[in-house]
Amino acid sequence: AQSVSQHNHHVILSEAASLELGCNYSYGGTVNLFWYVQYPGQHLQLLLKYFSGDPLVKGIKGFEAEFIKSKFSFNLRKPSVQWSDTAEYFCAVNEDRNAGNMLTFGGGTRLMVKP
Amino acid sequence: DAGVTQSPTHLIKTRGQQVTLRCSPKSGHDTVSWYQQALGQGPQFIFQYYEEEERQRGNFPDRFSGHQFPNYSSELNVNALLLGDSALYLCASSPGQGATEAFFGQGTRLTVV
Repeated sequence: AQSVSQHNHHVILSEAASLELGCNYSYGGTVNLFWYVQYPGQHLQLLLKYFSGDPLVKGIKGFEAEFIKSKFSFNLRKPSVQWSDTAEYFCAVNEDRNAGNMLTFGGGTRLMVKP
Repeated sequence: DAGVTQSPTHLIKTRGQQVTLRCSPKSGHDTVSWYQQALGQGPQFIFQYYEEEERQRGNFPDRFSGHQFPNYSSELNVNALLLGDSALYLCASSPGQGATEAFFGQGTRLTVV
């Protein structure tokens, strides 16, 4: 069975600092990769996704992620964080192209941005 | 356009009881999945319904069962509740069976006492 690891459980940054959140998955076959964000009191929302093509994916709110197949990684980055980026971030993987919205999630990274 | 809606938002049940949670998918979506999110953890896949049938199932016991109705809405039933079933239960919907992003509801917070 596949698994997803997020290395940082809690991250605290000051505004304007750069962000990189790690995500590694265990499945060796073809995967689809996602980053979701959960703002306080809100539902999970999609930040960005990778299915195929350019391994550098740009998402909403200035976020981007890079798929490195050789490292089984899909790290999330943002050059300059804002206070409003305070949230919990989840990396997720879908290994089966016919499995619809069945996802395996990582444990999440709680980001706090200090104003 | 209403997104994914879940009811109730909060629920308190006693150990051993049974509970039913409800989900209405986003308009145009026919595939519904349920997830359990324990405190401090990522969501865990329970099962997925498409065309009123369970299509995929995660590592959850038979106490967890579900149903999908002709209008694509879905129910999650949990029997013989345990304290460990306390969690946020999330419903996600998407169109069709092809791999795609999931749209999530706000969840139902279940507390078992």
